[in-house]
Amino acid sequence: DGGITQSPKYLFRKEGQNVTLSCEQNLNHDAMYWYRQDPGQGLRLIYYSQIVNDFQKGDIAEGYSVSREKKESFPLTVTSAQKNPTAFYLCASSPGGVRNTEAFFGQGTRLTVV
Amino acid sequence: AQSVTQLGSHVSVSEGALVLLRCNYSSSVPPYLFWYVQYPNQGLQLLLKYTSAATLVKGINDFEAEFKKSETSFHLTKPSAHMSDAAEYFCAVMDSNYQLIWGAGTKLIIKP
Repeated sequence: DGGITQSPKYLFRKEGQNVTLSCEQNLNHDAMYWYRQDPGQGLRLIYYSQIVNDFQKGDIAEGYSVSREKKESFPLTVTSAQKNPTAFYLCASSPGGVRNTEAFFGQGTRLTVV
Repeated sequence: AQSVTQLGSHVSVSEGALVLLRCNYSSSVPPYLFWYVQYPNQGLQLLLKYTSAATLVKGINDFEAEFKKSETSFHLTKPSAHMSDAAEYFCAVMDSNYQLIWGAGTKLIIKP
C-alpha cells in the first residue's frame, strides 16, 4: 500500500533533549512537508522540501531542523532550542510542481515534553 | 497573497440535519481549493478538491462543495449529518508557489 508513515505515534521527551520524528513515503512524491498542530491554531508549516537535498524554512522553523537525503524520507529533529515543543506533528507529501494535486498526510506524532 | 477564512471555529448540528461549513478564500491566481477532514489524533484525509473542472464538487461520505467565484467561497455541505461526521474540517487553497494555505479549521459537533 502506498502512503506516508510517521513514527512513533506517541513520543515523550525530557526537557533539554533533542528528538527526531520519522517520516517515510512510498508515493514517489518530490515534495514533503512538516506541520505543527496546536489546539485551535490549525496547521502551521515548519519546513518543506521540494526536492532531494533541498529544503526551506516555513513559518515556524525556529528550534527545528530537517534533512532530505533520500526522496522517501524527511525526518524532523526537535531541538532543545524549541521552547514549547509539546504538539501534534504532521508530515505530508505531494507530487510537487502542480497546483491541482492534493497533499497526502501521515497519521501524526504526538510529542509531549515531560 | 492567498488566504483562507473559515467562519466558525465550532459548528453544532443535529443528527440528520444539513451540514454547512463555510470557507472563503483570496487568491491572486486561479484558485485550487481543498477540503480535508481530521478525526481525533489522526492525520488529515482529503474530502474533495476543486480544480476548475466543475463548480460543484462531490467528495467522499456524501459531502460536496460549490465553488462560487463571485463570492470567493467554497462552502462544504452534507444533506444529512451522521454521528460519524464529528471531526475537524480544514479548507485550503494552493498558492502560486505550490504551498497549501490553510484555514484555522472548524470542529463539527453532531447532537444526537
